Amino acid sequence: EAGVAQSPRYKIIEKRQSVAFWCNPISGHATLYWYQQILGQGPKLLIQFQNNGVVDDSQLPKDRFSAERLKGVDSTLKIQPAKLEDSAVYLCASSLVGLGGDEQFFGPGTRLTVL
Amino acid sequence: AQSVTQLGSHVSVSEGALVLLRCNYSSSVPPYLFWYVQYPNQGLQLLLKYTTGATLVKGINGFEAEFKKSETSFHLTKPSAHMSDAAEYFCAVSEGGSNYKLTFGKGTLLTVNP
Repeated sequence: EAGVAQSPRYKIIEKRQSVAFWCNPISGHATLYWYQQILGQGPKLLIQFQNNGVVDDSQLPKDRFSAERLKGVDSTLKIQPAKLEDSAVYLCASSLVGLGGDEQFFGPGTRLTVL
Repeated sequence: AQSVTQLGSHVSVSEGALVLLRCNYSSSVPPYLFWYVQYPNQGLQLLLKYTTGATLVKGINGFEAEFKKSETSFHLTKPSAHMSDAAEYFCAVSEGGSNYKLTFGKGTLLTVNP
């Protein structure tokens, strides 16, 4: 079974530029998550999709971050414009159903450096 | 609101020694509890989870954890450390329901010395 795929793996940009990350979840998984992991901290949930609808985006900085999941499969997370504090690893995860106790499967992440 | 505290950002053990990584949680309802491991430049991998039933949970690679409700703890143990166990370990809590949200601790970096 193929895992969660993410691209690119690394990205370096200057502040005020825009950047986009792509995620392809495990086939058949209804729920998709984007996390931000700042160095020295645990992952923090940015947004959760159930199929192509948003379930939770309470911690997404909506003035600069946006995400979409078209057709309930792939997802894109965008930052525009980027700030220095956005430097982090962005992790995508998926789960079969999205209920409590459901295992989340993580991709390798995209490491973003903002200069 | 749910939260997780991992005591000790860095734990160092000798190969063959007991591994003990501490996790305490805060939750307003009976929680679901998880331990994930992260190797360098990789995503997180589930080690084990507690949902309901037996409070001693066994996971992969010889790890186990015990849910103690009275202590609001979910400490991770392994009787004998191996060099390959060196990684970062994250404890996480979910309150379940239809809005499944994981809250992670800050992580504990495990170093295994030969």
